[in-house]
Amino acid sequence: AQTVTQSQPEMSVQEAETVTLSCTYDTSESDYYLFWYKQPPSRQMILVIRQEAYKQQNATENRFSVNFQKAAKSFSLKISDSQLGDAAMYFCAYGAGGTSYGKLTFGQGTILTVHP
Amino acid sequence: SAVISQKPSRDICQRGTSLTIQCQVDSQVTMMFWYRQQPGQSLTLIATANQGSEATYESGFVIDKFPISRPNLTFSTLTVSNMSPEDSSIYLCSVDDYADSTDTQYFGPGTRLTVL
Repeated sequence: AQTVTQSQPEMSVQEAETVTLSCTYDTSESDYYLFWYKQPPSRQMILVIRQEAYKQQNATENRFSVNFQKAAKSFSLKISDSQLGDAAMYFCAYGAGGTSYGKLTFGQGTILTVHP
Repeated sequence: SAVISQKPSRDICQRGTSLTIQCQVDSQVTMMFWYRQQPGQSLTLIATANQGSEATYESGFVIDKFPISRPNLTFSTLTVSNMSPEDSSIYLCSVDDYADSTDTQYFGPGTRLTVL
């Protein structure tokens, strides 16, 4: 079974600074997807960024980028120019391919605090 | 991306009763999923809601406790049966949607259930 580990229960950053959230995963599959979701206090799960395992290029979405190290099974999220609105719980998620496509396995989450 | 709504947004129920949660999507989607998020925890997949056939449950979840319907490609319900305080959680539906040349998973706003 796949597992996802987020080793940082809490992180903090100053507004306008950069922060990196860590995620590692374990799988024997070659076809899979990785996600970062943000969950603010409203509890809405918001997709931040998505990475296909077969793509070597790291995904980027505006201030959000990932460092995908497939051999090391590492998938970290970098938030640049942090804003107060970035404060939330961040979940790393593994998405299976093949017949299990669409099923997500989540990490434990990292609470991000942004200080003004 | 698909727009997902859930009803109710929250409810407080007595133990031994049942609650049915509705999930509505604004477009036809092939795959719909139900997740549970216990207090302070991550998300755990309950089941895949299959249109026109029985749901597929993950280990630890059974149909008698969490019956699911999927009458068409835009709607699903999850019932939490014979509730106990341990069922107090946020329940989220998720869909797989094809947008911007990629498949990804989007979440509804969640239903916060408290069982007394």
